[in-house]
Amino acid sequence: QVQLQESGPGLVKPSETLSLTCTVSGGSISGFYWSWIRQPAGKGLEWIGRIYTSGSTNYNPSLKSRVTMSVDTSKNQFSLELNSVTAADTAVYYCARQLTATTQPIDYWGQGTLVTVSS
Amino acid sequence: DIQMTQSPSSLSASVGDRVTITCRASQSIDNYLNWYQQKPGKAPKLLIYAASSLQSGVPSRFSGSGYGTDFTLTISSLQPEDFATYYCQQTYNTPPWTFGQGTKVELK
Repeated sequence: QVQLQESGPGLVKPSETLSLTCTVSGGSISGFYWSWIRQPAGKGLEWIGRIYTSGSTNYNPSLKSRVTMSVDTSKNQFSLELNSVTAADTAVYYCARQLTATTQPIDYWGQGTLVTVSS
Repeated sequence: DIQMTQSPSSLSASVGDRVTITCRASQSIDNYLNWYQQKPGKAPKLLIYAASSLQSGVPSRFSGSGYGTDFTLTISSLQPEDFATYYCQQTYNTPPWTFGQGTKVELK
């Protein structure tokens, strides 16, 4: 059973960089897209971007200028960096696996981690 | 970006009811439509992909239909564990992959 676990600071100061890592267990990281999705409290889901195990990325244009994703296949991990954060970036951040076939659904999700942007 | 609009935003239903949620895309997305269920404090769970394909392990009371711009998620007989928020997501062509705003299914 594939499991994903987010890790990183739960509190980030405004204008600083949010950094999260997702560790994948129970399966190989190779051959899939790995995505980040966020959800502000009481609101809907926003797709942030994804990275393939080759390192190729797709980002949401609304966040593209501030987002960087990376993957470390040797550690079965992938990471998200979001710079110049503001209070609007406060949300639960999910890492997830996105299939490469059919309509590329997201079939496995992490439990989510709350990141609060505040001084 | 492709906009996804769900209706209704919330509904009240009883155990055993048939429930239908609709999702409309701002342009044709063929069948690139997925449905997720989210319970409070939990990550979303994939129910349906490619508009009508049931994800492994998901009960057969869930079904999806549609093509192009209009899609539906149907729960044939609502069970207590089905009270949750449901999201559609389009994955057509190029990113960003956008979600609907969600439909909350509550107990009447």
